[in-house]
Amino acid sequence: KQEVTQIPAALSVPEGENLVLNCSFTDSAIYNLQWFRQDPGKGLTSLLLIQSSQREQTSGRLNASLDKSSGRSTLYIAASQPGDSATYLCAGILTGGGNKLTFGTGTQLKVEL
Amino acid sequence: NAGVTQTPKFRILKIGQSMTLQCTQDMNHNYMYWYRQDPGMGLKLIYYSVGAGITDKGEVPNGYNVSRSTTEDFPLRLELAAPSQTSVYFCASSSDRGSYEQYFGPGTRLTVT
Repeated sequence: KQEVTQIPAALSVPEGENLVLNCSFTDSAIYNLQWFRQDPGKGLTSLLLIQSSQREQTSGRLNASLDKSSGRSTLYIAASQPGDSATYLCAGILTGGGNKLTFGTGTQLKVEL
Repeated sequence: NAGVTQTPKFRILKIGQSMTLQCTQDMNHNYMYWYRQDPGMGLKLIYYSVGAGITDKGEVPNGYNVSRSTTEDFPLRLELAAPSQTSVYFCASSSDRGSYEQYFGPGTRLTVT
């Protein structure tokens, strides 16, 4: 059974700092990994998806990497802004059986002025 | 583009009542999913479907039922609501080819008292 862990559970940084959010998974047969953003009381916004054949994906100030051999993915946020404050969730898919997502519990990020 | 839509947005139920959460997608996706999210937690899979007429249990199916009579619709039925079903419910869909990226609806916030 795939298990996904995110550390730390919460993180507070000053504006402008570069930061890394970590995601670990137990099954290296992962097909792809998605990073989501969730604002309080809101739904999920997909940020980046990395397929198993890829090592990283970039979108603006965000860069996500995937290392299947070590069971890790990282989300790098450059030059953080208060508007980046949200909970960030990672989720992995194992192919077959409906391609279900297994979610981590999230990292709650606060970027302070 | 509507994407994935869910109704209602909010609902309060009394213990023992029943209700149906509606989910519709307009992307012609074969795969559809129902997740629940409890406070401070990641999402857990309730049920999923790989096509019309085909459904299967996820991680936390007890107390719920689903049906999939069309490609577009995937309703979730709660029978005999219990306080433990207080949660936020998200519906998602994905294609059965390519990256399998999942697209999420805005969620239904359910309180059972």
